[in-house]
Amino acid sequence: DQQVKQNSPSLSVQEGRISILNCDYTNSMFDYFLWYKKYPAEGPTFLISISSIKDKNEDGRFTVFLNKSAKHLSLHIVPSQPGDSAVYFCAAITSLQGAQKLVFGQGTRLTINP
Amino acid sequence: DTEVTQTPKHLVMGMTNKKSLKCEQHMGHRAMYWYKQKAKKPPELMFVYSYEKLSINESVPSRFSPECPNSSLLNLHLHALQPEDSALYLCASSQDRGRPHHFGNGTRLTVT
Repeated sequence: DQQVKQNSPSLSVQEGRISILNCDYTNSMFDYFLWYKKYPAEGPTFLISISSIKDKNEDGRFTVFLNKSAKHLSLHIVPSQPGDSAVYFCAAITSLQGAQKLVFGQGTRLTINP
Repeated sequence: DTEVTQTPKHLVMGMTNKKSLKCEQHMGHRAMYWYKQKAKKPPELMFVYSYEKLSINESVPSRFSPECPNSSLLNLHLHALQPEDSALYLCASSQDRGRPHHFGNGTRLTVT
């Protein structure tokens, strides 16, 4: 049962344009969401997060939008830069036995073309 | 530079070997994690330590044995692994609920 889904395995965007990565979730108990970026041979790097009590969070070129009724979130990157090429994971935090765990989506490979 | 340090970066071991993966963080985080990531898959949680006590074991086989000697260190002891255990093993730490996990760069494990 995949509770966090990223339905686009890959996305190609021209440099300078907006990149939009999407994520859907099924568990309404999730109350905190995060986006991670991963380069090959490195661990995931935290990008931006959003609490379920908000519908938008912005940090520089990165903005995350949350639509709770649709159980959908998206990451906008604008303007896109070649260094943004990486795999992006959406993740949700859930509590289990008093501890928290991250549940990841399958990832979307973003390629920024010059 | 990552604030979570994992050693070794690469490890090749036979199915009869015993080895250990090490993780260290000095951010004062009280929760530490082991994740396993196979190629083209997302990271999957293995273990969670909270305040140096094992909080979550995601039904991981006993050939993987975690240990948390103190609040800054996390080990993963490996014994009698199978080739299908070959993967990237990621350590992470976090502060409080809702705070992001900080990941190390992982140990690339190959079991021959």
